[in-house]
Amino acid sequence: EAQVTQNPRYLITVTGKKLTVTCSQNMNHEYMSWYRQDPGLGLRQIYYSMNVEVTDKGDVPEGYKVSRKEKRNFPLILESPSPNQTSLYFCASSDYSNQPQHFGDGTRLSIL
Amino acid sequence: SQQGEEDPQALSIQEGENATMNCSYKTSINNLQWYRQNSGRGLVHLILIRSNEREKHSGRLRVTLDTSKKSSSLLITASRAADTASYFCATDANDYKLSFGAGTTVTVRA
Repeated sequence: EAQVTQNPRYLITVTGKKLTVTCSQNMNHEYMSWYRQDPGLGLRQIYYSMNVEVTDKGDVPEGYKVSRKEKRNFPLILESPSPNQTSLYFCASSDYSNQPQHFGDGTRLSIL
Repeated sequence: SQQGEEDPQALSIQEGENATMNCSYKTSINNLQWYRQNSGRGLVHLILIRSNEREKHSGRLRVTLDTSKKSSSLLITASRAADTASYFCATDANDYKLSFGAGTTVTVRA
């Protein structure tokens, strides 16, 4: 089954404790992306990757890092999380940036 | 940046009625996409309309695009309880990313 898998689905943690949200897709997609969703703001793109070892900033990259060492994986790293990063995060993948995107089920992060 | 803006923010209709929501955007686009999000879940792609297309259908969905007005509409006909969800438009402005609006929340009452 074609899918984008995110882990964990839920996480409550404290300010400053590094965390990684993993994302994996099994569709051999070139393009992967991370979004955060906040009430009233819709989805805002954090980082995207056009292919292996190619990543670029989206609209709200501050406080986040990503890597794309393999085609299927695109982890999101919060080196020093802060409460304003409490949000619902989605990973997505597609053949190309302007093609329909397949979304994971989301990761709800709470930073205390 | 948030390119698309949906209108209305929320919509409540009776089962069997049609639901219409609109999306306006600011810059030239290559295509516009509509997505559905059920509560707390990931977005699901519904339909893509290219900038040279004016109308597209998929089952009970009808999408129009007016590039001169920089706007699109999504019509859901004969709505069902399962259509209760948030709907988002997303635009591709040839900058390697999709820009999503804040969404329209649709509630279908039985």
